[in-house]
Parts: sequence; structure tokens; C-alpha cells
Amino acid sequence: EDQVTQSPEALRLQEGESSSLNCSYTVSGLRGLFWYRQDPGKGPEFLFTLYSAGEEKEKERLKATLTKKESFLHITAPKPEDSATYLCAVPKTGANNLFFGTGTRLTVIP
Amino acid sequence: NAGVTQTPKFRVLKTGQSMTLLCAQDMNHEYMYWYRQDPGMGLRLIHYSVGEGTTAKGEVPDGYNVSRLKKQNFLLGLESAAPSQTSVYFCASSVAIAGANEQYFGPGTRLTVT
Repeated sequence: EDQVTQSPEALRLQEGESSSLNCSYTVSGLRGLFWYRQDPGKGPEFLFTLYSAGEEKEKERLKATLTKKESFLHITAPKPEDSATYLCAVPKTGANNLFFGTGTRLTVIP
Repeated sequence: NAGVTQTPKFRVLKTGQSMTLLCAQDMNHEYMYWYRQDPGMGLRLIHYSVGEGTTAKGEVPDGYNVSRLKKQNFLLGLESAAPSQTSVYFCASSVAIAGANEQYFGPGTRLTVT
């Protein structure tokens, strides 16, 4: 059965305190793993797509990595504007839609 | 270039009433999707469309209907609203099928059914 689990559910960091968010997945034949950022009251905003184990992508203070069982979103020296909920998603096995995790709510304190 | 837009932004319905949510995209995307987002549940796919005139069921289609008469528009209808349909609804679009390309989301519609 397809499964996407994100941890932790919530994370509070001091500004400048680096950390990582985890997304573990169970699907048959990974066809990509997607990271999104969602601000309160808004729709998810696309960040990264990773397709194969060992792949890494970066955007400003964010770096996403992928292994055969999980993905990490590393946040280096975060700023308050990085506060948001971060969602990961994978295509469902044999289906045409994305299966989303429940997200990690990140709060960066000045 | 507005991306994906949704109307209305907020709506309150009484049980049994009907309504239509409108999604429009100006990116010439073939694929469009309707999701609902509930606390602790993550985003769940209601219906999707792979092109003008075509629709298909997602994970949670019961109580909803959709239509894609024009490539740029995707409508979600509730024929007889129920309190269980209180949720935030998001429309998304993509160039190709979800597994191959990222989806772009609209700002959402917050629906309350009393």
C-alpha cells in the first residue's frame, strides 16, 4: 500500500539554526518525489522534483535529497520567511495523481 | 500570467444546497485536478481531467461532479452539500501526468457547510 509519512509534524527553529525535514515513502516503482511549500491560507507552491536515489536539488536555503526509502529537506540558516508547511508527495502506484504527506509545519523564530 | 485561479475564495452553504467552484488556468496545461485538504489528512484527489471534454474519478469522488468544457477551465460541482464536505478545495494543473511533471496549485476555496 502506498504510504507517505512526514516527520516531525511541527518544528520550531531559531533563526540561523539549521535542520532537516523527513519524508519517508512506500510506493512501487518511484516515478518522482515532489516537495511543496504551503503558506497559511494559500495553495501549495512547487519547490523540487527528485527522480532517482542520490539526486540533490537546491534553492536558496533549501536542499532536497533522495534515497530509495526517504527524502530529506535540509534548511540551512533559516530565516523567519521560511516559516511554512512543507509537503512531500509521490505519484500513486498505477494512478494519475499525487499522494501527499500531511506535512511538517516549520516555524522560524527571529 | 495569473497561473491557476479559483472562485470563489470563501463560501458558506446550508446542507442540501448546491454550488459550483470554478478553476481557470492560463498556462495551456492539459491536466487539471481538484483536491480537498482537511486537517491531518493531507491533500486528497477528488476528480481530475487529462484534457478538454474528459474527466475521471480520484480517491474521494462521492458527492462531487466535474466538467471540463474548455481546456482552461475545470468546474467542481456539489449537487447536495453535506457537512462532511466542509473543507478547503484546491485546483491544480500540470503539463503532463502527475508522475512526470509538477502540479501548480490555485489559492484555494474555503467551503463551510452548516
